[in-house]
Amino acid sequence: QVQLVESGGGLVKPGGSLRLSCAASGFTFGDYYMSWIRQAPGKGLEWVAHISPASFTINYADSVKGRFTISRDNANNSLFLQMNSLRAEDTAVYYCARDSATGSYQAVGYWGPGTVVTVSS
Amino acid sequence: VLTQSPSASASLGASVKVTCTLSSGHSTYAIAWHQQQPEKGPRYLMRVNSDGGHTRGEGIPDRFSGSSSGAERYLTISSLQSEDEADYYCQTWDSGIVVFGGGTKLTVL
Repeated sequence: QVQLVESGGGLVKPGGSLRLSCAASGFTFGDYYMSWIRQAPGKGLEWVAHISPASFTINYADSVKGRFTISRDNANNSLFLQMNSLRAEDTAVYYCARDSATGSYQAVGYWGPGTVVTVSS
Repeated sequence: VLTQSPSASASLGASVKVTCTLSSGHSTYAIAWHQQQPEKGPRYLMRVNSDGGHTRGEGIPDRFSGSSSGAERYLTISSLQSEDEADYYCQTWDSGIVVFGGGTKLTVL
């Protein structure tokens, strides 16, 4: 059974940093693209970043490029999101997600329950 | 890239079709549908290809089906149940970019 569990969310001041983690289980982690997707309060879904199985391909949304860094540790079945220079508009629930199939990126196939990030002074 | 009507409604036990429209130049793209029930995280429903073929996610009942026509991708839900009241998002991807539609809020009357 695929399980994705995020952690690391919390309250941080504007300009601060936070590191999110996602623990994966129930599948061969190193075979899949992984993503971070967020949802601001009362808003829709926004893709943040994704990373290929061997970390060769990494892409970011323009809204976070240069501030956020996605990474993974296949040996420990973990996905990370380092968030720097945080802004109020980064306030959201952050979801860890796994691709629906192996190979090239297909679509989000599984979602974690999410972790809340609040950026406020 | 993806356009969805903000809202839709249908009666309990009836069927409803939710539409996602791909922008010009992207009409051959596949999409995915995701459901988000109130106060819950999203759940993957299915992938819909440009030829109308669709692949449901694990555990998704066959009341949920997908289809295509031109640049439009559809999610049809039959035998509507109260728990189908949710937000429905379409998603597509290309050249390292992933895009979500704005979502359709489905009300079950």
